[in-house]
Amino acid sequence: GQNIDQPTEMTATEGAIVQINCTYQTSGFNGLFWYQQHAGEAPTFLSYNVLDGLEEKGRFSSFLSRSKGYSYLLLKELQMKDSASYLCAVMDSNYQLIWGAGTKLIIKP
Amino acid sequence: GAVVSQHPSWVICKSGTSVKIECRSLDFQATTMFWYRQFPKQSLMLMATSNEGSKATYEQGVEKDKFLINHASLTLSTLTVTSAHPEDSSFYICSARDLAGYNEQFFGPGTRLTVL
Repeated sequence: GQNIDQPTEMTATEGAIVQINCTYQTSGFNGLFWYQQHAGEAPTFLSYNVLDGLEEKGRFSSFLSRSKGYSYLLLKELQMKDSASYLCAVMDSNYQLIWGAGTKLIIKP
Repeated sequence: GAVVSQHPSWVICKSGTSVKIECRSLDFQATTMFWYRQFPKQSLMLMATSNEGSKATYEQGVEKDKFLINHASLTLSTLTVTSAHPEDSSFYICSARDLAGYNEQFFGPGTRLTVL
């Protein structure tokens, strides 16, 4: 079966760095996405990785290792507004998105 | 980025009535749109994949006669919840895939449905 695993909840301090991990097992791979979702709102696109390595976009970076079925989202210089759920999703061979359950990130002052 | 609108943002209806939710891609053409529902504190659950000009593909366990999907044009898909019941109360979110980009899905703002 297809499976996406990510931690349920993480806590970090304002100004610090946090890494949210995601492991996956899917039928085929056409890329991995990270989305941010604030409570009561729809998800917003953060990043896309299809090749191994690190993609940096401002305070957010995303890493992918296809051989390990592993990705992480790195958030630097955390701000209170970064408190949200972070969803990892893998596009399978049918171009369907397989979603993780999401990681709720709590930022403390 | 691509913009997807959804209407209405929230709706309250009586049990037994039908509710239509519209999803529009505003600045790109979307041959494929997706409908999700999300219960509080849970992840997205894909209900169906909507393809322009053809019948929607429903996920296992989703009643196609209850959740009617129509994708009449490259920019519009509609979800109609028929004979709504309180257990249908949920956050319904549509997304559209932009083939010109990374195949990423851009989400509408969601529709919060409350059935009394």
